[in-house]
Amino acid sequence: GNSVTQMEGPVTLSEEAFLTINCTYTATGYPSLFWYVQYPGEGLQLLLKATKADDKGSNKGFEATYRKETTSFHLEKGSVQVSDSAVYFCALKNQGGKLIFGQGTELSVKP
Amino acid sequence: EAGVAQSPRYKIIEKRQSVAFWCNPISGHATLYWYQQILGQGPKLLIQFQNNGVVDDSQLPKDRFSAERLKGVDSTLKIQPAKLEDSAVYLCASSSPGTSGIGTDTQYFGPGTRLTVL
Repeated sequence: GNSVTQMEGPVTLSEEAFLTINCTYTATGYPSLFWYVQYPGEGLQLLLKATKADDKGSNKGFEATYRKETTSFHLEKGSVQVSDSAVYFCALKNQGGKLIFGQGTELSVKP
Repeated sequence: EAGVAQSPRYKIIEKRQSVAFWCNPISGHATLYWYQQILGQGPKLLIQFQNNGVVDDSQLPKDRFSAERLKGVDSTLKIQPAKLEDSAVYLCASSSPGTSGIGTDTQYFGPGTRLTVL
């Protein structure tokens, strides 16, 4: 079946540090891949997406590349800010349109 | 453009009581989703509507949960009777089919309703 596995949190970084949150997936066919972010007290927001192999999604300094050979979609940012503190969810969408989420990774950025 | 609206934002009930949540999707979005997000987990799809028809309700506990989307716009999700394990955030999302058909477009989420069952 389809599933998404993320690295466990919480991840604690100092401001301006480099961020990587690992995400791997299992899927039949060719899913689309997403990163959603959930700031404290708010709903999920789409951060970036990629719809086919080797696509790179990017937004607000975050990037992730769809790697079919390693079934991965790792999230990266070169220099995190305190305002990036949130929970990050990796997700895939199968051909039926169903979104399947990972368990989420909490990021805490300290000044 | 207004986002997905949900109410109430918080609800506390005792087990065996009933509760209802309301969602108003983004204008023009034909597809509407209800998700359950248990603390520490990712959201899990409960039901998906296309206009006012059900597309997928395979993970909806139908003995206690029900949902409807009359007139293909607003939707309500009901739990009757509630159990302790129903404590979660209930998220509503909507999307537009776009030009490539159902399920191909981005889902936009509301702020959620946090349910606590005592």
